[in-house]
Amino acid sequence: AQRVTQPEKLLSVFKGAPVELKCNYSYSGSPELFWYVQYSRQRLQLLLRHISRESIKGFTADLNKGETSFHLKKPFAQEEDSAMYYCALEGAQKLVFGQGTRLTINP
Amino acid sequence: ETGVTQSPTHLIKTRGQQVTLRCSSQSGHNTVSWYQQALGQGPQFIFQYYREEENGRGNFPPRFSGLQFPNYSSELNVNALELDDSALYLCASSLDGGPTDTQYFGPGTRLTVL
Repeated sequence: AQRVTQPEKLLSVFKGAPVELKCNYSYSGSPELFWYVQYSRQRLQLLLRHISRESIKGFTADLNKGETSFHLKKPFAQEEDSAMYYCALEGAQKLVFGQGTRLTINP
Repeated sequence: ETGVTQSPTHLIKTRGQQVTLRCSSQSGHNTVSWYQQALGQGPQFIFQYYREEENGRGNFPPRFSGLQFPNYSSELNVNALELDDSALYLCASSLDGGPTDTQYFGPGTRLTVL
C-alpha cells in the first residue's frame, strides 16, 4: 500500500534558522515524490519533485530509498516560507498525500 | 493561460441529497484528478479522468462518480450524501497525467453536509 507520513503537524522556527520538514513513505515500487505548498489564501501548488533534482525558493529534498524518506530542507528560513507543506507520492496512477506540516517562521 | 477554476465555492446540502461539483481545467490538459480534503488532513485521491475515461480510482464508494467533457470541463457527482462527505473538494488538471506532469490545482469547493 502507498502511504506518506509527515510526523510533524506543526513546525515553528526563527527567521534565518535551518528548516527540515520530514517525510517518510511506504511504496513497493519505484516512487515519484513531490513537495506541494499552500500559502495563506492561495491554492495548492507544486514546490519541487525529486526527479528534477532542483532547488526551488532555496528548498531542496533528497530521496533516501534506504530510509524511505524525502525530507525538505532549507538552510536559512524566510518569513515568506510560512505555509502548509504536503509531501506526496505518485504511484499506480494516483497521488497520495501526507497529512501536511504547517510551517511558521517567526521574525 | 487561465488557471483551474471550480464552482461553486461553497455548498450546503443535507444528508441523503445528491451534489454536483464542477471543474474547468487548463486548456490543453487532458487529465483531471479529483481529491477530497477533510479538515486537518491532506488531499485524498478520489479518481482521475484522461480524455473522458476514468483512468484510476482511490478508495471511494461508487456513489462518487465523475464525468469529463471534451471542452476541458469535468464534474464530480456524489449521491446519497453522508455527514462524513463534508470536506474541501479539489480538482487538478495536467497534460497527460504522467509522473513528470505537474498537476495544477483549483481553489476547491467546500461542501458541508448537515
